[in-house]
Amino acid sequence: GENVEQHPSTLSVQEGDSAVIKCTYSDSASNYFPWYKQELGKRPQLIIDIRSNVGEKKDQRIAVTLNKTAKHFSLHITETQPEDSAVYFCAASQAFNKFYFGSGTKLNVKP
Amino acid sequence: GAGVSQTPSNKVTEKGKYVELRCDPISGHTALYWYRQSLGQGPEFLIYFQGTGAADDSGLPNDRFFAVRPEGSVSTLKIQRTERGDSAVYLCASSSRGLDRENNAYNEQFFGPGTRLTVL
Repeated sequence: GENVEQHPSTLSVQEGDSAVIKCTYSDSASNYFPWYKQELGKRPQLIIDIRSNVGEKKDQRIAVTLNKTAKHFSLHITETQPEDSAVYFCAASQAFNKFYFGSGTKLNVKP
Repeated sequence: GAGVSQTPSNKVTEKGKYVELRCDPISGHTALYWYRQSLGQGPEFLIYFQGTGAADDSGLPNDRFFAVRPEGSVSTLKIQRTERGDSAVYLCASSSRGLDRENNAYNEQFFGPGTRLTVL
């Protein structure tokens, strides 16, 4: 089955700096890669996703890149703000059936 | 409109007891997923329904776990003979597949608030 690894487990940045979170996957059949933000005690919420037919996608301060050959994808957050502090999860799926999640990255943005 | 809801929000039970966890998906969503999330970990896939049928139940850890969705809407996750290791937050998510403007398949999962299960 699929194995998704995520790092770093914790990331601390100064407000205004950029943050990068990386994930690798093992199953080359995976073709959909969403990222979720989960604030303490709340439900995960989709923030951006990418399909295997594109290499990069951007939405305001958030971007995701995908390297299918190397089987890794990354989340980039620019101009970080304190409200970006949360746990971020990557996931991989084949045809929206099972979703395999990474172990999460706790992002702390210091004011 | 209403999002995904789950009941109860918290459930404390004793080892060996039977529990049922309920998920009410967003109206019209055909796909429904159950996950288990332990502290400090990502959601772990349990089972996926498309309509009334379980399309993939390979994530259920053993035969003590069972889930149903008899009318293609509400789903119930059932755990028999609970063990302390079953303690976790159980998340439900629903989605409605379609096509986006670029004709790509689209499937955003909307998560419920979860049920925190504690087995003493």
